[in-house]
Amino acid sequence: RKEVEQDPGPFNVPEGATVAFNCTYSNSASQSFFWYRQDCRKEPKLLMSVYSSGNEDGRFTAQLNRASQYISLLIRDSKLSDSATYLCVVSSGYALNFGKGTSLLVTP
Amino acid sequence: NAGVTQTPKFRVLKTGQSMTLLCAQDMNHEYMYWYRQDPGMGLRLIHYSVGEGTTAKGEVPDGYNVSRLKKQNFLLGLESAAPSQTSVYFCASRGTRNEQYFGPGTRLTVT
Repeated sequence: RKEVEQDPGPFNVPEGATVAFNCTYSNSASQSFFWYRQDCRKEPKLLMSVYSSGNEDGRFTAQLNRASQYISLLIRDSKLSDSATYLCVVSSGYALNFGKGTSLLVTP
Repeated sequence: NAGVTQTPKFRVLKTGQSMTLLCAQDMNHEYMYWYRQDPGMGLRLIHYSVGEGTTAKGEVPDGYNVSRLKKQNFLLGLESAAPSQTSVYFCASRGTRNEQYFGPGTRLTVT
């Protein structure tokens, strides 16, 4: 079983839509959780950390369920500029374990 | 504040040639990492370092060597390049909340 699993998509949504990405992880001892964004031919960039209490940053909301080992990212009012690949990332000790990413395309 | 920088940005090698990729960070981070990213494979850890003078193997270390002589620099070497090493290479350093900051990447093609 892979450490971090994501639905690869692609998710094609119209501007203004709400879209949700899900991710599961296998190591129950994992300590830190993140969502990264990666644009085509660019480096991954930290979008937001994910906390057990849930956290929000503008149009983005992240949730963590430690009991189910499940992480989610909700994007409201999608913009064209949100088109990218979203990586679910889980930290265990020194390493980060990356999901393969979920591709999002927001269309006019 | 440049963050994490990598040189070169692009390189084409012939099989058997050697090269060194340089990563530099100005955030005074202790931990640094080298990854490769291939289509459909996601990011895979090659080597990492927990501080100046230390290095350790990651998930896919074969064919690569690393050195961390200075805290701000982490070098990745290919002694005898192979076509299987064609990839995009990312360097990263780790912040205080375990988050990682990535450099812009090096696109390497081995023919």
